[in-house]
Amino acid sequence: KAGVTQTPRYLIKTRGQQVTLSCSPISGHRSVSWYQQTPGQGLQFLFEYFSETQRNKGNFPGRFSGRQFSNSRSEMNVSTLELGDSALYLCASSEDSPRNNSPLHFGNGTRLTVT
Amino acid sequence: DQQVKQNSPSLSVQEGRISILNCDYTNSMFDYFLWYKKYPAEGPTFLISISSIKDKNEDGRFTVFLNKSAKHLSLHIVPSQPGDSAVYFCAASADDMRFGAGTRLTVKP
Repeated sequence: KAGVTQTPRYLIKTRGQQVTLSCSPISGHRSVSWYQQTPGQGLQFLFEYFSETQRNKGNFPGRFSGRQFSNSRSEMNVSTLELGDSALYLCASSEDSPRNNSPLHFGNGTRLTVT
Repeated sequence: DQQVKQNSPSLSVQEGRISILNCDYTNSMFDYFLWYKKYPAEGPTFLISISSIKDKNEDGRFTVFLNKSAKHLSLHIVPSQPGDSAVYFCAASADDMRFGAGTRLTVKP
């Protein structure tokens, strides 16, 4: 099976712009989770989608949003970008929701730089 | 809110010796715990997990121990190999999965 695919790998944006990141999960996986990784902060949970519904959301402002399509592919959007949004954004998929003890399988991430 | 904490940012061990990585958590609702390994420019890779009904799980050179009363888990790697050098993340799951900040393990030949 192909792994989790994230596009693009790298992005450079300026403050105030918006950005959309894309994630294709492993075939058959219905849950997609998004995380932000910054140095020293580990992986911060953004949100989880399961069968097109947002199941859980982390402590991020409303500028961060996402959605999941019927084929389980997911997109994440960040509006009005700030310098502090520079980070590695990781998408992970799982067969079932993490609440059902299903391990996450990660993509290689999108490195976003805001200037 | 850091519900999962890895207090050691780095650890260095000699090849062949034991590596012990530690993790503490605060949320008593967590019932599933995992360790992930991350190399540069790659996403984290699932390593081993343990359910809250167990206190030990082994997979080859990797063993995870869970102490629920202390809200503490640890990953033992024996024997350590240079290829084990990576960042290790502890994770805990309830409604969603939360991660620690990571520990960078360096195994010296």
